[in-house]
Formats: sequence, structure tokens, C-alpha cells
Amino acid sequence: AQSVSQHNHHVILSEAASLELGCNYSYGGTVNLFWYVQYPGQHLQLLLKYFSGDPLVKGIKGFEAEFIKSKFSFNLRKPSVQWSDTAEYFCAVNAWSNTGKLIFGQGTTLQVKP
Amino acid sequence: DAGITQSPRYKITETGRQVTLMCHQTWSHSYMFWYRQDLGHGLRLIYYSAAADITDKGEVSDGYVVSRSKTENFPLTLESATRSQTSVYFCASSDPGQGAGELFFGEGSRLTVL
Repeated sequence: AQSVSQHNHHVILSEAASLELGCNYSYGGTVNLFWYVQYPGQHLQLLLKYFSGDPLVKGIKGFEAEFIKSKFSFNLRKPSVQWSDTAEYFCAVNAWSNTGKLIFGQGTTLQVKP
Repeated sequence: DAGITQSPRYKITETGRQVTLMCHQTWSHSYMFWYRQDLGHGLRLIYYSAAADITDKGEVSDGYVVSRSKTENFPLTLESATRSQTSVYFCASSDPGQGAGELFFGEGSRLTVL
């Protein structure tokens, strides 16, 4: 069965620190990859997505992610975090083209200290 | 306003009661989904629907029932609520023609079963 694993469950950083959140998936075929963010008390919003092409994708608010097919990974990065980045981050994989049926990772809670 | 709305936003019920969570979207997206969010589990798919009158089970469908008589509505019913169904429920929709797998989420419905 397809699965998504996020290695970091809870990350605490100071403002201006660099961020990297790990995401690995298990599926050997073509995948679409996503990172969603959930700010406290809000619904999930799309940060960025990868369908094809350049494996380095840029999203909103300075986030980027790199798809490494050989490692089945799609890690999220940001060079300098802000207090407002405090949120929960979810990696998701769509292994069924055009169905939108996403499999989510467990989520990573990011706490940024001012 | 256009978008996806869920009701109620908060619900407290008792074990054994029937509960229905409503979901309405104004985009005419063909796909709709119900996920539940629990600490340590991320988001897990309960049911999804590819179109009106077409529904299918997700990974945690036991104890839940859905219907989709109209494209815009996708209610989720807990036939006999149990404490393990205490969770935050998110409805989502997607349009496969505009980027397979990108989900748009509602605000969530927080259900407590006593």
C-alpha cells in the first residue's frame, strides 16, 4: 500500500533559522507530490506541488521543495523561517492520476520562536 | 461566497447518536473527499466521490456513510457515533482538469463524541 512518511514530528526553530522537513513516500510509479500547511485554527492550504518537469519547485511564502525520484523523497525547505511560519505541515502523494485521492503523511508541527 | 463550506463547525454528541456533517462546494468540482485528522495520524481518507452518485471507501470508512445526490453536496453520516470518532473532519474537493490532486479544503468540523 502507498504510504507517506514525515520524519520530523515536532520541530522548534528560532527566527531566521533554515528549515528542512523530510518526506518520503512508497510508490514505484508516477506520482504527484504536495506540501500543505495548516496554520493554527485554520484549514489546510496548498504550499507547493510537483507534477513533472523541474524537480525543484517553488511555492508560496518562500518555501521550496525538491523531488528526488531515486530517494522517493520530496523535502520541504525554507532558507529563513519567520514566526508566522508556525504551523503544521503535511506532505501528500497522489499515486492515482486525476483522482485527487491524496495520501498524507503524519504531519510536522513547526514552532518558530521569535 | 465561492468555496467549500462545512457545517456544523463544532458538534458535541453522545455515543450511539447519528450525526451528519455537511459539505457544500460552489466550484462544481467533480471530486469530493472526507478526511479525518487525528494527532499522530495526519489526515486519513474516509470516503471520496468522483461524481454525483459515485462514491468509494477510503482507508477508514467503517462506521461512516456518505451520499452524493448532487455534485455540490457531500454529506458524511456517522450512523452510531463512537468515542473513537472524536476528530476533526475535513471536506475537500478537486477538479482533475485543473491539476490532478490539488485539493481545496473546508474549514473543518470538530466532532466530540461523549
